[in-house]
Amino acid sequence: KAGVTQTPRYLIKTRGQQVTLSCSPISGHRSVSWYQQTPGQGLQFLFEYFSETQRNKGNFPGRFSGRQFSNSRSEMNVSTLELGDSALYLCASSLGLSLRSNSPLHFGNGTRLTVT
Amino acid sequence: AQTVTQSQPEMSVQEAETVTLSCTYDTSESDYYLFWYKQPPSRQMILVIRQEAYKQQNATENRFSVNFQKAAKSFSLKISDSQLGDAAMYFCAYRSATYTGANSKLTFGKGITLSVRP
Repeated sequence: KAGVTQTPRYLIKTRGQQVTLSCSPISGHRSVSWYQQTPGQGLQFLFEYFSETQRNKGNFPGRFSGRQFSNSRSEMNVSTLELGDSALYLCASSLGLSLRSNSPLHFGNGTRLTVT
Repeated sequence: AQTVTQSQPEMSVQEAETVTLSCTYDTSESDYYLFWYKQPPSRQMILVIRQEAYKQQNATENRFSVNFQKAAKSFSLKISDSQLGDAAMYFCAYRSATYTGANSKLTFGKGITLSVRP
């Protein structure tokens, strides 16, 4: 079974631009969540989607948004990029079937975004 | 809000020896899950082991085991017979078992870089 696939692996953008990152979950997984990883702040939760609905959002500005499609694939968008948005963005998928699901998160290899 | 603390930024272990990575957390909840993830240079976060808070028995996965002390809010990872491939960054993480609308939200510690000496 294929793992979580994130594209692209590397991305270089300039300040003020916008960027879209893509995540394809493991087949059968309906929950997709996004995390930002930086040396200073560590790993921070961005948001989670289940069945095309955002279930929760972390403490990030409105420039960060996402969506999920009917096939569970998810995209994350960052508008008006700032230098501080440079980070590794990780996507994770899980079955997410029950309210108390403890199905583990499976992570992708991440997208390394550099903002210049 | 829950917090996870990994106070040691780096550790080193001799190949074949045993090493223990420390983690403490703070929560007011009684039902939750704890995880250790490994992140090698490939960047992919790999689940090493998980513990359910209501289970008193410590989880084990081959060479990896945990010491879960619920009252002390401590969750350490022991790696036995360390191998070169164990070198990576290790993250301790917390997830609530109470439905808050986000089953997949993990709260991570800052991580610890483990090096293995041949």
